[in-house]
Amino acid sequence: GQQLNQSPQSMFIQEGEDVSMNCTSSSIFNTWLWYKQDPGEGPVLLIALYKAGELTSNGRLTAQFGITRKDSFLNISASIPSDVGIYFCAGYLRGTSGSRLTFGEGTQLTVNP
Amino acid sequence: GAGVSQSPSNKVTEKGKDVELRCDPISGHTALYWYRQSLGQGLEFLIYFQGNSAPDKSGLPSDRFSAERTGGSVSTLTIQRTQQEDSAVYLCASSYRDGNQPQHFGDGTRLSIL
Repeated sequence: GQQLNQSPQSMFIQEGEDVSMNCTSSSIFNTWLWYKQDPGEGPVLLIALYKAGELTSNGRLTAQFGITRKDSFLNISASIPSDVGIYFCAGYLRGTSGSRLTFGEGTQLTVNP
Repeated sequence: GAGVSQSPSNKVTEKGKDVELRCDPISGHTALYWYRQSLGQGLEFLIYFQGNSAPDKSGLPSDRFSAERTGGSVSTLTIQRTQQEDSAVYLCASSYRDGNQPQHFGDGTRLSIL
C-alpha cells in the first residue's frame, strides 16, 4: 500500500511566490529524493538527501531530510513559469536500500505569470 | 546522449498482443529499474536488476509481465497478452551500483492498449 503521503496534491500560485510541499510517512527512510517531471518526460532528479536533518539547496530549491527520518520538505523560492510541472518525493525505505524507490503521489504546480 | 534511453517512445497495440519495451541504461550504471506510471499517478515499482544478482521481481503485477537484462546492460520488459489496464507509461531508471544511489530516468514508453 501507499507508504508516502505527499501534499498538497496541486498548487496554483503567482509568479514570484514561494512554494512549499512535503512528504510524510509512518516508516523510516534512509534516503529522500525530490524529482520534477514535465509532460512527456521522465522524472528529473532535483535534490538528494542522505542524512537526518540534512538541509540542501540547489539554486532556488531547498529540501530537508526530517530529523525523525519519516518526512521531507521541498521549498521553491521566487517561482518562475518554468517551475510548472509535477514534483515527486521518493525514498528508500530502511531495509530496501538500493532496490525499489517508494514514490509520493506528486504535487502538480501551476505558476501564473 | 549520456542519459537513459527507452524505445519505442510510444506504442499502440491491440488487446491480446505481446509487446516488448527496451531500456538502455547510463553507461557504467550497474543497477536498472522498471516502473509503471498510470495517468496522474505516482510511480509503481516493477522490477530491479543489480549486476549478476537475481532480479527483484516482487513488483510485477502478473505472470504476463517479465523482464530480462542481457550482458548487464540493455533490458527488455515484455508484456504478454496485453490487457487494457496495462495502458500506462513504463519508465526505466538506472543508478551507479546500489545502496541509496539516486536513480536517473528515461523518458518512458507510453503504451496504449486498444
